[in-house]
Amino acid sequence: NAGVTQTPKFRILKIGQSMTLQCTQDMNHNYMYWYRQDPGMGLKLIYYSVGAGITDKGEVPNGYNVSRSTTEDFPLRLELAAPSQTSVYFCASSYSIGRKDQPQHFGDGTRLSIL
Amino acid sequence: GENVEQHPSTLSVQEGDSAVIKCTYSDSASNYFPWYKQELGKGPQLIIDIRSNVGEKKDQRIAVTLNKTAKHFSLHITETQPEDSAVYFCAPTPPDSNYQLIWGAGTKLIIKP
Repeated sequence: NAGVTQTPKFRILKIGQSMTLQCTQDMNHNYMYWYRQDPGMGLKLIYYSVGAGITDKGEVPNGYNVSRSTTEDFPLRLELAAPSQTSVYFCASSYSIGRKDQPQHFGDGTRLSIL
Repeated sequence: GENVEQHPSTLSVQEGDSAVIKCTYSDSASNYFPWYKQELGKGPQLIIDIRSNVGEKKDQRIAVTLNKTAKHFSLHITETQPEDSAVYFCAPTPPDSNYQLIWGAGTKLIIKP
């Protein structure tokens, strides 16, 4: 039972570098989400997807991009890393038919530091 | 948009006592009310949820109560144990996919031995 798998677990980037955070799920969930969690804070939604080929902005999308070419994968791209993007990033998925009011399943996060 | 507040931000209780965490929300369209538990170094995990057509739900030592009129719901943990120490989040959710998902800031629960 892999669930939601995120890679890498840790990463240090220099300002201006780019990277992709990987997320894959094996539960055949149609909804997928990316959150960031700053120290001592709650989760803020960056982007979400309701199915392959469909993505939408969340609360804090600036500086990030996503794509959803398959049901299983939902990568998050940082193009020009900035210190403000230092955070823990969580990917989540859920199964729903046109609604968001379903439980979400989370990965264990990617801890990203930008120096 | 939705405004979500959790209280308290930190709660310290003696092992064996009860703990109550409250979540207040502003969007009356919310119809799904989950509580998630986040242990150190892990992602959040759903522990209990309730829908708007139900006032209370219980699962062993944990329960959730909902007051839709007052727009708040609470997590109740009885007979607390050391493994209950974690951060707990609420995430009141509306059904429409056009609505934003807004999470509470979290409550750190500390169980004292």
